Amino acid sequence: DSGVTQTPKHLITATGQRVTLRCSPRSGDLSVYWYQQSLDQGLQFLIQYYNGEERAKGNILERFSAQQFPDLHSELNLSSLELGDSALYFCASSVGTGPYNEQFFGPGTRLTVL
Amino acid sequence: TQLLEQSPQFLSIQEGENLTVYCNSSSVFSSLQWYRQEPGEGPVLLVTVVTGGEVKKLKRLTFQFGDARKDSSLHITAAQPGDTGLYLCAGDLNSGGSNYKLTFGKGTLLTVNP
Repeated sequence: DSGVTQTPKHLITATGQRVTLRCSPRSGDLSVYWYQQSLDQGLQFLIQYYNGEERAKGNILERFSAQQFPDLHSELNLSSLELGDSALYFCASSVGTGPYNEQFFGPGTRLTVL
Repeated sequence: TQLLEQSPQFLSIQEGENLTVYCNSSSVFSSLQWYRQEPGEGPVLLVTVVTGGEVKKLKRLTFQFGDARKDSSLHITAAQPGDTGLYLCAGDLNSGGSNYKLTFGKGTLLTVNP
């Protein structure tokens, strides 16, 4: 158990819909990262927040948005869903940022878009 | 085009055998990490290497970072069934700091048969 929690574990929805994935970081961690893992693309970095502010952006689509709240939990919002958005979405957290701050990954949310 | 190419993609061996998996890129990474991911779970960090030519050992696992910081290898001695999993390498292209982003390879899926 990494200490990072993600809800829900599984999500099935239809194309065109909007969903929200939630992440609670480890106690004391200020950084939250979101990743998408699919069979064809592998694990891809989406976005990072540090203490409520956006810190780094990766391959995140405009239809996707995220935020980190004052209690440090984070939400990833996915809208106008397409079949290709079906994937595992991981949240990770770390104390700070950079290569010396180990990222601890949550168990993931499996999103299926039908 | 994948920035980080991992090989082999799949590897199935018998308990007690040795193996090496590779992570290659045409880009220079300021740091490189190896993770292991088991089914239904998020990746878990094994090691971080930051200096060209660096070798790190973790019990039966030996990690090497290439002199030019473009490639890395993971060698497992006397593999055990508990080593089964997806091995991912991930690197940072951006010299760390506030723009730290991990780029992941697609992984090597290792199966160690008893």
